Amino acid sequence: DAGVIQSPRHEVTEMGQEVTLRCKPISGHNSLFWYRQTMMRGLELLIYFNNNVPIDDSGMPEDRFSAKMPNASFSTLKIQPSEPRDSAVYFCASSPTPAGVYGYTFGSGTRLTVV
Amino acid sequence: GQNIDQPTEMTATEGAIVQINCTYQTSGFNGLFWYQQHAGEAPTFLSYNVLDGLEEKGRFSSFLSRSKGYSYLLLKELQMKDSASYLCAVPLYNQGGKLIFGQGTELSVKP
Repeated sequence: DAGVIQSPRHEVTEMGQEVTLRCKPISGHNSLFWYRQTMMRGLELLIYFNNNVPIDDSGMPEDRFSAKMPNASFSTLKIQPSEPRDSAVYFCASSPTPAGVYGYTFGSGTRLTVV
Repeated sequence: GQNIDQPTEMTATEGAIVQINCTYQTSGFNGLFWYQQHAGEAPTFLSYNVLDGLEEKGRFSSFLSRSKGYSYLLLKELQMKDSASYLCAVPLYNQGGKLIFGQGTELSVKP
């Protein structure tokens, strides 16, 4: 299994530009999570999907952030317009439901820098 | 609400034993995870406890006491490569499996 695949690994963009992060979960996992990690706030859950349906987006910082999961094998997180404070590492994770002993598997992350 | 607490950082010596504690408060309980995260990398799964007691897996063991809302990760025969952040996390199944993380404990292993 290739694991959770995220792209790009690194993204540098100018303030005001649109940024799209991509994630392919592990086949058969029906839950997908987007996290953001910073030194100050640690790992924060932004949004998660169950069977492609958004269940809880209470962690999404503001309307500039949006996420979609059009099918079981693909999800995007979009920031429009981007701001310097959005600079962070964004992780996607997937799991079966319930995760139980199998845990949640994380992708390698996208390091976003907004200048 | 939910709350997870762990020490911010710890230092230990190569070859020694270290215990990383985690206390949690959640409405409902569905197990507790420990993850390891090396600098610049993704968190990786270490252990999952759902019943009270000690689960041993090689050099790493994890303990859970549900009545006390307490867990610890025990690392034996420390190696330099064990220097990493260790994250305690609990899933909230009344919220569809939402996984909430503590802030992580940064462990430095010194020679």
